[in-house]
Amino acid sequence: GESVGLHLPTLSVQEGDNSIINCAYSNSASDYFIWYKQESGKGPQFIIDIRSNMDKRQGQRVTVLLNKTVKHLSLQIAATQPGDSAVYFCAENGERTGANNLFFGTGTRLTVIP
Amino acid sequence: EPEVTQTPSHQVTQMGQEVILRCVPISNHLYFYWYRQILGQKVEFLVSFYNNEISEKSEIFDDQFSVERPDGSNFTLKIRSTKLEDSAMYFCASTGIGQFFGPGTRLTVL
Repeated sequence: GESVGLHLPTLSVQEGDNSIINCAYSNSASDYFIWYKQESGKGPQFIIDIRSNMDKRQGQRVTVLLNKTVKHLSLQIAATQPGDSAVYFCAENGERTGANNLFFGTGTRLTVIP
Repeated sequence: EPEVTQTPSHQVTQMGQEVILRCVPISNHLYFYWYRQILGQKVEFLVSFYNNEISEKSEIFDDQFSVERPDGSNFTLKIRSTKLEDSAMYFCASTGIGQFFGPGTRLTVL
């Protein structure tokens, strides 16, 4: 079955520094990946997505990098702010389906130190 | 900005009772989903729904679960006879450009 995992369960960074959150996936058939942010007691919040025909995509203060060769995904957050503290999940769509149901990793807890 | 909404925010029920969790997906989205998250664990896919029928379902989504789109806006998840292990956060999601999640319903089965 599909497997999405994260290298580090926790990450602490100083406010203003850049953060890098990593994710490994095992299903080479996955062609769509999303990063979500989840704050305590809330639902996953869409941050950024990337399709497998790209290796980099940028948003506002965030960049997602995709390395299909080693099945690795990363989320870079520039100038990390206290409001960025949350659990970050990567998700993949596993076997290619029209429904795009997602398979989530276990999450990395990002703590921003003021 | 449009968002997925869910009601209730918290549902407490007795084991064996039926519960219905409600969702209003983002209008003009065509795919709808239910996921669940047991406390401290990862988000797990339950079911996807498109064109008024189930597209895919996971092993978790057994005969005790059902989904329905009773009208043009609501999307519901029914659990017929709740078990203790059904206690979790249940998230509804819909897909447009990206997949967007609602705030969740916390289901507590006593």
